[in-house]
Amino acid sequence: DAKTTQPPSMDCAEGRAANLPCNHSTISGNEYVYWYRQIHSQGPQYIIHGLKNNETNEMASLIITEDRKSSTLILPHATLRDTAVYYCIVRPMNSGNTPLVFGKGTRLSVIA
Amino acid sequence: EPEVTQTPSHQVTQMGQEVILRCVPISNHLYFYWYRQILGQKVEFLVSFYNNEISEKSEIFDDQFSVERPDGSNFTLKIRSTKLEDSAMYFCASSVTGRWTDTQYFGPGTRLTVL
Repeated sequence: DAKTTQPPSMDCAEGRAANLPCNHSTISGNEYVYWYRQIHSQGPQYIIHGLKNNETNEMASLIITEDRKSSTLILPHATLRDTAVYYCIVRPMNSGNTPLVFGKGTRLSVIA
Repeated sequence: EPEVTQTPSHQVTQMGQEVILRCVPISNHLYFYWYRQILGQKVEFLVSFYNNEISEKSEIFDDQFSVERPDGSNFTLKIRSTKLEDSAMYFCASSVTGRWTDTQYFGPGTRLTVL
């Protein structure tokens, strides 16, 4: 089972920042936090990942708390095309090509 | 930007028939994966593949499933005798390496409908 907890759904007004929380209280010291999203049954799309520092790319920002027990994905200016299911995933510590373990994610609805 | 491609986008088959789902991973990637998603359920890992052999497989990936890299570009998933419960979206993914810090990139999926 997934090692993360996310709210099942959230709404966000178009143009506003969407802040998606994730709890991963059992995360190990060298496990990364990954975020993917899935737009309407398309293939999951990689967004961002981080270890302990905050990260930013052209899609989003990732804020990880100092104790690493939770994180927040921020979409700074949400658009209607950001409506999707967002998955927070902690990568297992196994070596080799570890599979991604998807939970139920957060269904983000961006509203005009 | 390079991307994973999958064919066909939709496959309809009769129960008991064999199906082959095809994927072309990103060209410099070495690790390949199949995942599936039954309608309304989570994305589930099936199998990972490296250097022409299976690296890891889930309990879903039973003897009815097989994977192959028949040439330098394609990666296939075969289901020998389809069941109704095999109806799902099947996603192929690839990564440059298999390290747990490495990003997996997914294809658009094949919707398999078993009648």
